[in-house]
Amino acid sequence: ETGVTQTPRHLVMGMTNKKSLKCEQHLGHNAMYWYKQSAKKPLELMFVYNFKEQTENNSVPSRFSPECPNSSHLFLHLHTLQPEDSALYLCASSQPGGSNYGYTFGSGTRLTVV
Amino acid sequence: GENVEQHPSTLSVQEGDSAVIKCTYSDSASNYFPWYKQELGKGSQLIIDIRSNVGEKKDQRIAVTLNKTAKHFSLHITETQPEDSAVYFCAASKGYGNKLVFGAGTILRVKS
Repeated sequence: ETGVTQTPRHLVMGMTNKKSLKCEQHLGHNAMYWYKQSAKKPLELMFVYNFKEQTENNSVPSRFSPECPNSSHLFLHLHTLQPEDSALYLCASSQPGGSNYGYTFGSGTRLTVV
Repeated sequence: GENVEQHPSTLSVQEGDSAVIKCTYSDSASNYFPWYKQELGKGSQLIIDIRSNVGEKKDQRIAVTLNKTAKHFSLHITETQPEDSAVYFCAASKGYGNKLVFGAGTILRVKS
């Protein structure tokens, strides 16, 4: 484990379902991110949260709804998804500047929309 | 915005040989360049990173070089081993709280 835990590891959902992805970190980081990784494409940033506030929404469709109740938890609520939304969803966190700008990734949730 | 290009997309080397993956970036304000290794079922893990105030950094068999003028940085893996086989991603960022912009990834295969 990297210190960033994502659940579930795998998720299969129908286009009318509502589900949520969860990300949790106890590294003391104050920034959290959602990334999407589709086959043969670069990792795409979806959302950025700094100190629980959303600071970036990278033109993500409203069927993806993030929630950050505190600096340690990040959710991605999913509803009425499309098959093309099938991908690996990665959560990451980062800590304040200084000697280490390092980002830490979770292992991801493999999402399949049927 | 920032754009990161990564080459090659696939790389096959013989065990023991060196592997080099190159990335270029477009935004001169970027100052942090990490490399991630993604193994099946293990997510992406940081393997080495470099800041814009240094030109080279080494960690055992792995090294990263940065040329700020040309805006490119490279990952060097020496004495490759089968367990080095994975997908490698480069990224560029303006630092904490700023997004990482990733390259498209390189599939490295080390043949024994």
